[in-house]
Amino acid sequence: DTAVSQTPKYLVTQMGNDKSIKCEQNLGHDTMYWYKQDSKKFLKIMFSYNNKELIINETVPNRFSPKSPDKAHLNLHINSLELGDSAVYFCASSERLGSNGYTFGSGTRLTVV
Amino acid sequence: GESVGLHLPTLSVQEGDNSIINCAYSNSASDYFIWYKQESGKGPQFIIDIRSNMDKRQGQRVTVLLNKTVKHLSLQIAATQPGDSAVYFCAEWDSGGGADGLTFGKGTHLIIQP
Repeated sequence: DTAVSQTPKYLVTQMGNDKSIKCEQNLGHDTMYWYKQDSKKFLKIMFSYNNKELIINETVPNRFSPKSPDKAHLNLHINSLELGDSAVYFCASSERLGSNGYTFGSGTRLTVV
Repeated sequence: GESVGLHLPTLSVQEGDNSIINCAYSNSASDYFIWYKQESGKGPQFIIDIRSNMDKRQGQRVTVLLNKTVKHLSLQIAATQPGDSAVYFCAEWDSGGGADGLTFGKGTHLIIQP
């Protein structure tokens, strides 16, 4: 069974659209994260959620909004998509806040045209 | 073969040779370090970790070396195999730094030539 699963794996959409990426973990972890990986493979954290509470929000535009219906799910909603949002988005989870063993999903490649 | 991490994003080695991937980290307060391997189309996968109270840690075919004086981390892969081809990231963690999460380095692309 996949520990951290994301859907969809690929997403192609036009500028200005609104889209969501879903993430689920079956590890019983308390904390989940979203990372963005750019074309140069640089991984940068966007959000982390601990027990449904947003812990950090780096310098991410407010067009991006994480939503966590329960601690096993952390979805990423993006409004008014821009060309610069094209990247691979990775979901990850860790046992608890401050735990440093992250398990990553396989990524969602978002292409904005 | 050996890389200098941030300044040489691609390292090409012959199959069977040893490879060394280097990483310079930025936060002197970081006390935990992880190497991740990312294969094409997949998410990063844990390889090996090391805490700041250690200088060296060995796994199966992999060794991580930590030099806190110069804030340098390296990953040594012995007898490289085709399956070792991937992008390798070092990540640092400051346990006293709140909930900022893991900070990743820029990655090194390791290419194994037959």
